[in-house]
Amino acid sequence: QKEVEQNSGPLSVPEGAIASLNCTYSDRGSQSFFWYRQYSGKSPELIMFIYSNGDKEDGRFTAQLNKASQYVSLLIRDSQPSDSATYLCAVIGPGAGSYQLTFGKGTKLSVIP
Amino acid sequence: NAGVTQTPKFQVLKTGQSMTLQCAQDMNHNSMYWYRQDPGMGLRLIYYSASEGTTDKGEVPNGYNVSRLNKREFSLRLESAAPSQTSVYFCASSIMNQPQHFGDGTRLSIL
Repeated sequence: QKEVEQNSGPLSVPEGAIASLNCTYSDRGSQSFFWYRQYSGKSPELIMFIYSNGDKEDGRFTAQLNKASQYVSLLIRDSQPSDSATYLCAVIGPGAGSYQLTFGKGTKLSVIP
Repeated sequence: NAGVTQTPKFQVLKTGQSMTLQCAQDMNHNSMYWYRQDPGMGLRLIYYSASEGTTDKGEVPNGYNVSRLNKREFSLRLESAAPSQTSVYFCASSIMNQPQHFGDGTRLSIL
C-alpha cells in the first residue's frame, strides 16, 4: 500500500514569512512528485512538479526532493494571504506505465495579514 | 481553452438511483482519471484509463463503472447509488506520467 504522509495543519505563518510544507512517501521507487494547491470548494491546481533530487524553483515556490530520505517539501517565500489554501502532495510510484497518483491528505496553510 | 470539463456540477440523488458523470478534455491527453474527495480522506483514485480503449481499477472502484468513450471522454457511472457515495468527484487528464489537470468537480449528494 503506497502511502503519502503530510501534516494536516493548520500551519499558520505571518504575511511575508516563509511557509514550509513537508511530505514523506513510503514507496522507495517513486519517480514523480507533485504539489497541488486547493482552495476551499475548488479543484486541485498544479503549482510544482519535481522528478530529480535537489531543488526546483519557480517564482516564490521551491520544491525540494530527497529520494534517499523519501522526502519532498514545498517552500513558499514572501507568503501572501492569497496563499491560504490546502496543499496536496502527490506521488507516482515506480513501474513502466504506472500513472496512478497517490495523494497525501493535505496541509492547510493560513497566512495571517 | 476549456481544459477538463465535468458535468453536472451538482446533483442530488435518492438511494438506488443511477446516474452517469461526464468528463471531456480538449488537451489531447492520453490518460484520464476519476477521483473522489471526502473530508479527512483526501483524494482517492476510483478508476483510470491509461489510453483509449483501456480502463483499470484504482483504490476505491466498488460501486462504480467507467467507459472511455473516445480519446476525449471518460464517464463514471453509479448503477445503484448509496449514501456512502456522497462525495465530490473530480476528473483529471494527463500525458502518461506528466502532471494531471483537474476539472472543476461534481458535488454529489445521495439521500
